[in-house]
Amino acid sequence: DAEITQSPRHKITETGRQVTLACHQTWNHNNMFWYRQDLGHGLRLIHYSYGVQDTNKGEVSDGYSVSRSNTEDLPLTLESAASSQTSVYFCASSESSQGNGYTFGSGTRLTVV
Amino acid sequence: AQSVTQPDIHITVSEGASLELRCNYSYGATPYLFWYVQSPGQGLQLLLKYFSGDTLVQGIKGFEAEFKRSQSSFNLRKPSVHWSDAAEYFCAVPNSGYALNFGKGTSLLVTP
Repeated sequence: DAEITQSPRHKITETGRQVTLACHQTWNHNNMFWYRQDLGHGLRLIHYSYGVQDTNKGEVSDGYSVSRSNTEDLPLTLESAASSQTSVYFCASSESSQGNGYTFGSGTRLTVV
Repeated sequence: AQSVTQPDIHITVSEGASLELRCNYSYGATPYLFWYVQSPGQGLQLLLKYFSGDTLVQGIKGFEAEFKRSQSSFNLRKPSVHWSDAAEYFCAVPNSGYALNFGKGTSLLVTP
């Protein structure tokens, strides 16, 4: 069955370290998205991609980067982790239509100490 | 920008009672609208979606939602709530592209 997987599920890192969160989907979806979820803020868009070599900034992109070298993967990199980036991160994918909605991964809980 | 507002942060209902979760949207044209559910420690699952056609939309798990253009609302309903419905519920609308803008969510607590 097709799926979207995130790894790791939990991670603790130190301030200033570079961290990469993985997202891999086997739906063959063109679109992939990264969100962070924080109490009181709901889900906020970090970065998104509409295809290979395409990346775009979302609402809260500062301190984050992504790259899309193939259809299946959109890794999220925190260049220099900060305590404000402690959050739950969700990856999602979708087909190229506004009407299809997303398929979500199970999330990565990141703690920056 | 297209956006949705969920006025209620927390809702508590008794098991077996009816449920209505509110969602108001800001959008120039007829929007796609979505409701997602997030169980504790899980990702989000699509409950239902709307785009044109019948204003009453049926979803999974016995949920339905009604689109009311005059009120800019897309409220989620369920006639009889089960304890397993306790979760976080999110309303969402597409932005100018394929990305979704989510509301801040409504946390549903179900009491015995």
